[in-house]
Amino acid sequence: DTGVSQDPRHKITKRGQNVTFRCDPISEHNRLYWYRQTLGQGPEFLTYFQNEAQLEKSRLLSDRFSAERPKGSFSTLEIQRTEQGDSAMYLCASSLHIRRVSEQYFGPGTRLTVT
Amino acid sequence: KQEVTQIPAALSVPEGENLVLNCSFTDSAIYNLQWFRQDPGKGLTSLLLIQSSQREQTSGRLNASLDKSSGRSTLYIAASQPGDSATYLCAVSGTNAGKSTFGDGTTLTVKP
Repeated sequence: DTGVSQDPRHKITKRGQNVTFRCDPISEHNRLYWYRQTLGQGPEFLTYFQNEAQLEKSRLLSDRFSAERPKGSFSTLEIQRTEQGDSAMYLCASSLHIRRVSEQYFGPGTRLTVT
Repeated sequence: KQEVTQIPAALSVPEGENLVLNCSFTDSAIYNLQWFRQDPGKGLTSLLLIQSSQREQTSGRLNASLDKSSGRSTLYIAASQPGDSATYLCAVSGTNAGKSTFGDGTTLTVKP
């Protein structure tokens, strides 16, 4: 297994457009997390799934953001009506949550630029 | 609300020096603490994870400690090398290891 993958790696879009990002976790991992990171800051939590269930969603995630993990494998993060403030690196992580251990492994990220 | 602080924000050392990076958190009810490395424009690489019941973890030249009662963790790097230059982030997870809260990182430069 090659780790967590994300697609696309870079996305440039115009304000008002919708964008969708995909994350493929490490195959046996049951948890999947989405974070957003801006320059000079640590990642901010957006949401996470255990299998296909979305267990927590940050208040940062406005109604324009939605995430899914339909079969408990890959996940998508959609941003509708993008704004310039959405420009950031979107990071996905996965973990195998078992017996009180849940080490997160991150993908390379998708860099979004909204013009 | 959990808050994580990393001091200093930046650190520059000569090659070969031993160094300590600090991480503090406000809520001691954590599930685990994880240290990451991030190279510019890249994702995060996991370095060490310390469960809430543990006091320290070691991997090669890295040693991380955890003191839950005081809300502190340190990452010790022995015999630093230029390849260690990166931003180091700590993250704490709360109930059931769901949401993780990150500090803003310490950017380390190791000069040859």
